[in-house]
Amino acid sequence: GQSLEQPSEVTAVEGAIVQINCTYQTSGFYGLSWYQQHDGGAPTFLSYNGLDGLEETGRFSSFLSRSDSYGYLLLQELQMKDSASYFCAGRTGANNLFFGTGTRLTVIP
Amino acid sequence: DVKVTQSSRYLVKRTGEKVFLECVQDMDHENMFWYRQDPGLGLRLIYFSYDVKMKEKGDIPEGYSVSREKKERFSLILESASTNQTSMYLCASTGQGNEKLFFGSGTQLSVL
Repeated sequence: GQSLEQPSEVTAVEGAIVQINCTYQTSGFYGLSWYQQHDGGAPTFLSYNGLDGLEETGRFSSFLSRSDSYGYLLLQELQMKDSASYFCAGRTGANNLFFGTGTRLTVIP
Repeated sequence: DVKVTQSSRYLVKRTGEKVFLECVQDMDHENMFWYRQDPGLGLRLIYFSYDVKMKEKGDIPEGYSVSREKKERFSLILESASTNQTSMYLCASTGQGNEKLFFGSGTQLSVL
């Protein structure tokens, strides 16, 4: 089987840094993606890690460690608009992408 | 701009009805996906297609079928809708070898 585990909720203060973890159990793992979804909206792509290490895109960074079956999304300089659900997604085949259950991030003033 | 369009934002159907959910993308993408999203369960893959007339089962294909007669269109069919198929349905597409999925805005289906 395949599974991606994420915390269900995280709360952080505006301006702070928050890390959302994702651990996986699957065979034939290709890489890890992250998506953001605001309430009532569609998921939008944030980042992809095909190799171990850190990928940085502005205030957002994503990390993957295959040996630990673990990744995380790091959000810096949090803004109120970052309040959303964040999903990690794993690829196990050329065209098969499956999602974690999502982490609801609440940013407070 | 990239666009994935789902035919309906809200849909109400009765138990036993045949339901068609349509999805069209304008990016010439090879791969298209149907997910359902339920609170606490995240996005679960129903079916995906990597080419015209090709389809693969995802994690929860039971009670669903799909059709891809043209590259830009991927349809999800509920042969006989049941109340446990009440959910948000999301269509997505991506090009071959591309990691970025583009999602439609979703169809909230209620089966009464």
